[in-house]
Amino acid sequence: SAVISQKPSRDICQRGTSLTIQCQVDSQVTMMFWYRQQPGQSLTLIATANQGSEATYESGFVIDKFPISRPNLTFSTLTVSNMSPEDSSIYLCSARDNSYEQYFGPGTRLTVT
Amino acid sequence: AQRVTQPEKLLSVFKGAPVELKCNYSYSGSPELFWYVQYSRQRLQLLLRHISRESIKGFTADLNKGETSFHLKKPFAQEEDSAMYYCALSGQSGYALNFGKGTSLLVTP
Repeated sequence: SAVISQKPSRDICQRGTSLTIQCQVDSQVTMMFWYRQQPGQSLTLIATANQGSEATYESGFVIDKFPISRPNLTFSTLTVSNMSPEDSSIYLCSARDNSYEQYFGPGTRLTVT
Repeated sequence: AQRVTQPEKLLSVFKGAPVELKCNYSYSGSPELFWYVQYSRQRLQLLLRHISRESIKGFTADLNKGETSFHLKKPFAQEEDSAMYYCALSGQSGYALNFGKGTSLLVTP
């Protein structure tokens, strides 16, 4: 199994600023993903973080707003840029190894004022 | 397009009663289906996956391709089963998951 940690666990940010969320996995994994869970909603996939190449974004999410890095097989970052109150959400990192199981981080609770 | 539907937002049952959390999906290919659970103040964790056909914590789920359903069942609910349950599908996005809206299960004594 893989254990995933995220930093920060929560933050309150001002409109127009950016926040970078870090995701660390305790073992090498083939695939990493970023999800968003807005208040009262389910999880929505933002992008797949590809090691050594650009992330693959889902419809409705763009690189300029949510730049992602994945420098190696255990680490990824998601930046929420030029934030607005609509970006208030829980952001979750997940990882999948060669089995079918996908592991999730504890989430980062972001509030934009 | 792929979609996961969980029609019940909240399900309340008495301890010892049977429980069924419904999940329907739409997907044109062969999906991988999962149930995830999130207990209070804990992270999301995998409960079941259809390919393994296993029973975890007394829960089972059978993939019914004819009805495009993957309902989660347990014959006798326990108070510790109270949690948020998400049905998820892996298909077009490769290995990423498409989640339903979730069902909050409350088991009362």
